[in-house]
Parts: sequence; C-alpha cells; structure tokens
Amino acid sequence: DAGITQSPRYKITETGRQVTLMCHQTWSHSYMFWYRQDLGHGLRLIYYSAAADITDKGEVPDGYVVSRSKTENFPLTLESATRSQTSVYFCASSEGQGRNQPQHFGDGTRLSIL
Amino acid sequence: QKEVEQNSGPLSVPEGAIASLNCTYSDRGSQSFFWYRQYSGKSPELIMFIYSNGDKEDGRFTAQLNKASQYVSLLIRDSQPSDSATYLCAVNAGYGNNRLAFGKGNQVVVIP
Repeated sequence: DAGITQSPRYKITETGRQVTLMCHQTWSHSYMFWYRQDLGHGLRLIYYSAAADITDKGEVPDGYVVSRSKTENFPLTLESATRSQTSVYFCASSEGQGRNQPQHFGDGTRLSIL
Repeated sequence: QKEVEQNSGPLSVPEGAIASLNCTYSDRGSQSFFWYRQYSGKSPELIMFIYSNGDKEDGRFTAQLNKASQYVSLLIRDSQPSDSATYLCAVNAGYGNNRLAFGKGNQVVVIP
C-alpha cells in the first residue's frame, strides 16, 4: 500500500528556474491538495483538485501552476522560482465528498531557492 | 474567511499527565473536525476525527466537540515522550469541496 508519495524529497534550485514537484497517490482519491508550510503561517493551501481536469485556487496560488490529467497525479510547478517560495510543500488527498473525509498527507518536499 | 484558532503556546506536561489542547473555529456551518499530529520534520498524521457534539475516545486520545461554543479539544491521557509533537486542529469549513481550514498548531512537550 504505497499511499501518497511525493518527489523529490529535497530540492535546491536558483531563482528564476522552473521546478516541478510531483505527487502520486494509489488510493484513487478524488481530491488532491497542495500546501506549503512555513514557520508562523502553518499550512496554507496553494491549489486543490476535485477530480481529473478540475483544479481551483487556494489561499496562496500566485507563482504556482497545477495540472491533473490523471486521477493519481497532481504535479505542482513553480514557473519562475523566487526565494519567498522556499518552504516545505505537502501534497494530500481525500476521498469524495462526505463529511468525514480526512486528508492524508505525503512525506513532503523541502524546497530551497537560492 | 474560515478561521481556526489554536492560541495557547507550547505545552509542557510531565510524563503520565493529561495534555489538553483547545481549538476554536469561526464558521458555524462547520461539520467535521480533525486532529493531526506532526512530528518535527515529518508530515501531518491524522489521529482523530469527530463530527457530533460530545466526546469521542480512541485509546489515550479523546476529542471533545461543542458546536454551540464553537470549540473542539483534544485530551491526551497518560502522556508519553512519544506524544511530543505539534498538534494541528483542522475543520471542514463547509466549502463543499473537502477543503480543510487548519490552525497553526500547538506544540506539546512531554517531560520524562
């Protein structure tokens, strides 16, 4: 039971570069989410997806792009990385609508932008 | 804006004692409430969920929900050093899209 996996686990890049963080889940969950976690801010939602080809903005979407061509994958792309995007990024997934649907998190990607 | 507040600072408890964490939320329409545990450098891990008023027990953990007062709490009985972590409160804030609003978390330190 692989669950939800993120890659890479660690990434260092330079400002202005494009970087893509990968997220893959094996549960066939409908919903997938991208968060960033920074000291003092807690978890902030970047983008989420209710199903393949359906995505929507969260609290802090600027500078990020997502796609979801297949249910199991939800990559997050930083088109032109900035130092302020240095953070820990978590992907999560949950089953379809229902009031007791918790989100399950991947192990995270620690991204440093120099 | 859906808000979830976890206001108390780091909580230090002796081993074997009860740790009590509180969380308040702003949206009266909230229906589901979750507690996550996050060890340093790790991802959040679901430990409890509750959706009805009252208490829900799971092992050493008890979640308490009071919708009238808009708060949810987590009790950890017989605290162990392995319970030292940050605990995140999350609320399904009625967006209708499985979005959760997270509090910033409370750090618990269990002192042997």
